[in-house]
Amino acid sequence: KNEVEQSPQNLTAQEGEFITINCSYSVGISALHWLQQHPGGGIVSLFMLSSGKKKHGRLIATINIQEKHSSLHITASHPRDSAVYICAVHFGNEKLTFGTGTRLTIIP
Amino acid sequence: DVKVTQSSRYLVKRTGEKVFLECVQDMDHENMFWYRQDPGLGLRLIYFSYDVKMKEKGDIPEGYSVSREKKERFSLILESASTNQTSMYLCASSFSQGLRNTIYFGEGSWLTVV
Repeated sequence: KNEVEQSPQNLTAQEGEFITINCSYSVGISALHWLQQHPGGGIVSLFMLSSGKKKHGRLIATINIQEKHSSLHITASHPRDSAVYICAVHFGNEKLTFGTGTRLTIIP
Repeated sequence: DVKVTQSSRYLVKRTGEKVFLECVQDMDHENMFWYRQDPGLGLRLIYFSYDVKMKEKGDIPEGYSVSREKKERFSLILESASTNQTSMYLCASSFSQGLRNTIYFGEGSWLTVV
């Protein structure tokens, strides 16, 4: 069965801390997305990657294809980073399979 | 910028009513999707469409139907709304580029069935 697991489910940290959110999946994939969802519902795509590492501002996403694992890192975290972060993967086709998300709260 | 617009942000409907959720995208994307999101379950695919008049069932199609008469518009229909369809519904679209598919989401529609 094609599954996606995220950890932790909830994460609370102080402003400025380095944040890591993890995503593991069960079988080989063609691509992986990291998504951000703010209160109110809308989802924004942060990264799409199939190998290696991508960086955008304070956000870094890595993927290890052999270990079937990806991480999302946030450096110098800020209260505006508070959101739900969702990992989603393509198991070889157009459809996405989603993790249940990590709720991140950054305290000033 | 790509825009995916969902026509209704908040709806309250009665059990048994027919409900239409509309989604429009402005980037000529082939693929469009309807998901529902429930606490602890993540996003689950209801239906998707890869071309005009084409549709495929997702993981939870029961109680729903869809319509794609024009490329930019994908409608989700609840033929007879039930309380277990109270949820947040998200529309998305993507332009297929081989295996690398950038996906864009709408703002979501919060549906309450009473």
